[in-house]
Amino acid sequence: EVLLVESGGGLVQPGRSLRLSCAASGFTFDDYAIHWVRQAPGKGLEWVSGISRNGNSRAYADSVKGRFTISRDNAKNSLYLQMNSLRVEDAALYYCAKDIGAGYSGGWSLFDSWGQGTLVTVSS
Amino acid sequence: QLVVTQPPSASASLGASVNLTCTLSSGHSSYAIAWHQQQPEKGPRYLMKVKSDGSHSKGDGIPDRFSGSSSGAERYLTISSLQSEDEADYYCQTWGTGVLLFGGGTRLTVL
Repeated sequence: EVLLVESGGGLVQPGRSLRLSCAASGFTFDDYAIHWVRQAPGKGLEWVSGISRNGNSRAYADSVKGRFTISRDNAKNSLYLQMNSLRVEDAALYYCAKDIGAGYSGGWSLFDSWGQGTLVTVSS
Repeated sequence: QLVVTQPPSASASLGASVNLTCTLSSGHSSYAIAWHQQQPEKGPRYLMKVKSDGSHSKGDGIPDRFSGSSSGAERYLTISSLQSEDEADYYCQTWGTGVLLFGGGTRLTVL
């Protein structure tokens, strides 16, 4: 069974940083691209960032470009999201999601597994 | 520009059938989409992929009551024999080189 477990969320002040983690199990982690998707309270899903199986291809939504960094550690079956210069509008439930493909050269595809999310609150 | 559009709400009676629609923007009618279900207070769950030729492939454990189809730029999710647990938000997702996006979602109410 594919399992994706996010952690690292919490309350943070605007302008500060936070690092999210996603622990994966139940599949060969380094075969697949992985993504972060967020959902603001009462809103829809927004793709945030994706990383290819080998980490060489990374992409970001315009809303987070230059502030967020995605990374992965295939030896630890883990995905990360370093979030800097956080804004009030970054507050959301952050999900990690598994792509069905490798993600080479930004060739993303559909997501076939999701985690349960970790909540990020940005407030002074 | 690739965009996917969904009506914000739909409703149908218990035991009935409902069609949810996802519309691809002009010039993108060949794109496949994926449907995801999000029940209240839960993470999303992948339902199926729907291609432009109308063929669909479902995720593991998705009941036969769920099916997909296509017509032009529109992609459909049909749910038959509606059950109370089908009350949820349904999102379509599409992708291209360097592009990945979701529709705004349709909230399905089971009456």
